[in-house]
Amino acid sequence: GAVVSQHPSWVICKSGTSVKIECRSLDFQATTMFWYRQFPKQSLMLMATSNEGSKATYEQGVEKDKFLINHASLTLSTLTVTSAHPEDSSFYICSARAGGVYEQYFGPGTRLTVT
Amino acid sequence: AQSVTQLGSHVSVSEGALVLLRCNYSSSVPPYLFWYVQYPNQGLQLLLKYTTGATLVKGINGFEAEFKKSETSFHLTKPSAHMSDAAEYFCAVTVAGGTSYGKLTFGQGTILTVHP
Repeated sequence: GAVVSQHPSWVICKSGTSVKIECRSLDFQATTMFWYRQFPKQSLMLMATSNEGSKATYEQGVEKDKFLINHASLTLSTLTVTSAHPEDSSFYICSARAGGVYEQYFGPGTRLTVT
Repeated sequence: AQSVTQLGSHVSVSEGALVLLRCNYSSSVPPYLFWYVQYPNQGLQLLLKYTTGATLVKGINGFEAEFKKSETSFHLTKPSAHMSDAAEYFCAVTVAGGTSYGKLTFGQGTILTVHP
């Protein structure tokens, strides 16, 4: 149980275009989803927290107009990187948490490369 | 705010040897602690967690960790390393309330190398 999927697993896009990444909880309802960014050989940095049906809460320093997060249902959250630039290239990981528990279940990650 | 320090960015052991990965935390309220493992180009897999109750917690793949409040530590151990244990390990902390409720704060990670 507690499986989280991400799609796509990797994507290459041109500078200036937008990219959407999906995060799905496959066998549980995720009241909260989290989006992380991980640079090579570094730890995970929390970008934002999203609760189903409400606006995402962004961490300090994360541009909410650049990283659009939608959590439209209890099983799906999306992250859209708008007007992507090479410095947005990174490994993006989502996680999901069911209500009343503290552990987060992580997706397999999405490798974004912006050329 | 919470923080986590993992002592040693790289740990190398021989197959069959004891694995010890160190984690110290800082929290003004009782913490909930986790260890995750990450294989290359993959997400994180939960190894074990401490919330309340027994301070020695057992996880998957033979790993265990002990919560020591007096030492603010949550070190991860495994009696006998296997080649398949080679990966990066992250210690993380969260709390039950406040503005940081449910948010995980991660340590910098420890890369475990297992030699034959």
